[in-house]
Amino acid sequence: AQSVTQPDIHITVSEGASLELRCNYSYGATPYLFWYVQSPGQGLQLLLKYFSGDTLVQGIKGFEAEFKRSQSSFNLRKPSVHWSDAAEYFCAVGRASGTYKYIFGTGTRLKVLA
Amino acid sequence: DGGITQSPKYLFRKEGQNVTLSCEQNLNHDAMYWYRQDPGQGLRLIYYSQIVNDFQKGDIAEGYSVSREKKESFPLTVTSAQKNPTAFYLCASSLGGASTEAFFGQGTRLTVV
Repeated sequence: AQSVTQPDIHITVSEGASLELRCNYSYGATPYLFWYVQSPGQGLQLLLKYFSGDTLVQGIKGFEAEFKRSQSSFNLRKPSVHWSDAAEYFCAVGRASGTYKYIFGTGTRLKVLA
Repeated sequence: DGGITQSPKYLFRKEGQNVTLSCEQNLNHDAMYWYRQDPGQGLRLIYYSQIVNDFQKGDIAEGYSVSREKKESFPLTVTSAQKNPTAFYLCASSLGGASTEAFFGQGTRLTVV
């Protein structure tokens, strides 16, 4: 079955520390991969996406993610976290064609310590 | 500016009443979606629409209904048959289905009192 797993429900980091949020997917076809961020009581905002090409993609707010096909992973990273990065992060999988349904992970809530 | 507008942001309803959540987009997207979000459960798909006058059930469609009479609009009705309607509801749209990114509205928090 198709699925997206975000193993960490909660992560706490200190401001200025590096961050890595994990995302693993199970998908038979070529995946289209997305990372979204959600502040409390708000909608989701796209951070970055991967469709093809360079496996290291850059996004907004200083985030990047690396697609590793052999590990079925698409982990999100940031070298230095800011207090404003505290939010919930969702990994999602789409598909090249033929479907309108995204598969979302259950999210990772990030807490940033001052 | 192009985007998705959900209204109202907060909604209270009494048990046994139907309520309709509004979702409007001016992105000229064909596909629109409704998701329900509960703490710790991520996003669950209620309904989606690929094109005007067509929509499909998602994973948790029971107790909900939708219409897609205009490209810009995809209202969601939460009926009295929905057993646990208190939740945060998100509307989204995409240009070409799941091969493109989804754009989200700011959400509607529905509380049954």
